[in-house]
Amino acid sequence: DVKVTQSSRYLVKRTGEKVFLECVQDMDHENMFWYRQDPGLGLRLIYFSYDVKMKEKGDIPEGYSVSREKKERFSLILESASTNQTSMYLCASSFLQGRQEKLFFGSGTQLSVL
Amino acid sequence: DQQVKQNSPSLSVQEGRISILNCDYTNSMFDYFLWYKKYPAEGPTFLISISSIKDKNEDGRFTVFLNKSAKHLSLHIVPSQPGDSAVYFCAASVIGGSQGNLIFGKGTKLSVKP
Repeated sequence: DVKVTQSSRYLVKRTGEKVFLECVQDMDHENMFWYRQDPGLGLRLIYFSYDVKMKEKGDIPEGYSVSREKKERFSLILESASTNQTSMYLCASSFLQGRQEKLFFGSGTQLSVL
Repeated sequence: DQQVKQNSPSLSVQEGRISILNCDYTNSMFDYFLWYKKYPAEGPTFLISISSIKDKNEDGRFTVFLNKSAKHLSLHIVPSQPGDSAVYFCAASVIGGSQGNLIFGKGTKLSVKP
């Protein structure tokens, strides 16, 4: 089974802190993603990466950065956390089945910024 | 501008009856559609998919119907069970398109009452 592991289930941080969210996948997938989920807004793509050291902006990259130094690990960084970044953060990895991409998600990190 | 729309934020169904979750899309280039299911405090899990060469795909109690001319798809769950209570996300992409182009709807919260 594919396993996508997010390092923390719950995090509480203060405004202005630098926050690191870590994600590891064990299936040698090329692509990794960071989404946030907010009530009424669904899943919104923050950043994704299709290779080591490569990254692409998603729909809402502002206030975030990412790091992919190793294939299995994709980190999301909040440079200076703000209260509007309180959210559920979901990491995913994917592979192509034929030409169809299928995402596998981690359990999520519920981040609260006070 | 939403390319994938789930217009019903919530749906309540009696156990044993049919649940029908709807999804509309605007981009005629989409040719691969997926449904994900999400329980609280967990990541979404893949449920079922359909490519545009089909109009129906069935997997046990779950069937997805695609109406390309109406740009509409629906997920049928028969019979509904209390364990089906979750948020369901519709997603769409272009087969073989660039990575990270999976577009999600805002989700429909299904409640199945015993």
